[in-house]
Amino acid sequence: QKEVEQNSGPLSVPEGAIASLNCTYSDRGSQSFFWYRQYSGKSPELIMSIYSNGDKEDGRFTAQLNKASQYVSLLIRDSQPSDSATYLCAVRRSDRGSTLGRLYFGRGTQLTVWP
Amino acid sequence: EAQVTQNPRYLITVTGKKLTVTCSQNMNHEYMSWYRQDPGLGLRQIYYSMNVEVTDKGDVPEGYKVSRKEKRNFPLILESPSPNQTSLYFCASRLNLLAKNIQYFGAGTRLSVL
Repeated sequence: QKEVEQNSGPLSVPEGAIASLNCTYSDRGSQSFFWYRQYSGKSPELIMSIYSNGDKEDGRFTAQLNKASQYVSLLIRDSQPSDSATYLCAVRRSDRGSTLGRLYFGRGTQLTVWP
Repeated sequence: EAQVTQNPRYLITVTGKKLTVTCSQNMNHEYMSWYRQDPGLGLRQIYYSMNVEVTDKGDVPEGYKVSRKEKRNFPLILESPSPNQTSLYFCASRLNLLAKNIQYFGAGTRLSVL
């Protein structure tokens, strides 16, 4: 089982809609969860981080974490064409052995917001 | 300005010709790493370094070398590049191993090995 799994998409939503991106992870002891946005050919850019169960909101973005279900999601409200990008979920595992400090990335979900 | 700088941004080379991709950060970060990104495979870690003179293998270290002689620099070395190393490479850095540290990425190096 892969460490971090995301729906590869592509996900297509109209402008103004809510885009919902999902991610599951395998290590129950994982501590930190991040969402990165990556435009084509560019480097990943952090948009949200979440560390405890529940919701965390930042502008149009809301990250949701459910550690019992090993599930983290990103909601983008009022989606804009400029949100069209690949969204990467990253998980920092619990501290042990050779995995200490490592971030594991999902393969990303490609989002297209059409006008 | 806090940044991670990679050079070169684009590189075309031939099989077997040694090359080095440089990475430098100005944030006094302890933790640095290299990733490659390939279509359908996502970001895969090649090597990482927890501090000066401390490096370890990631998921796909074969064919690569790294060194960490200074805190700010973490070069990626391909001793004998092969076509399967054609990829988009990213250097990244974090303050240290603590859970909430944010990881910053360089702009990327697109490598083609002919």
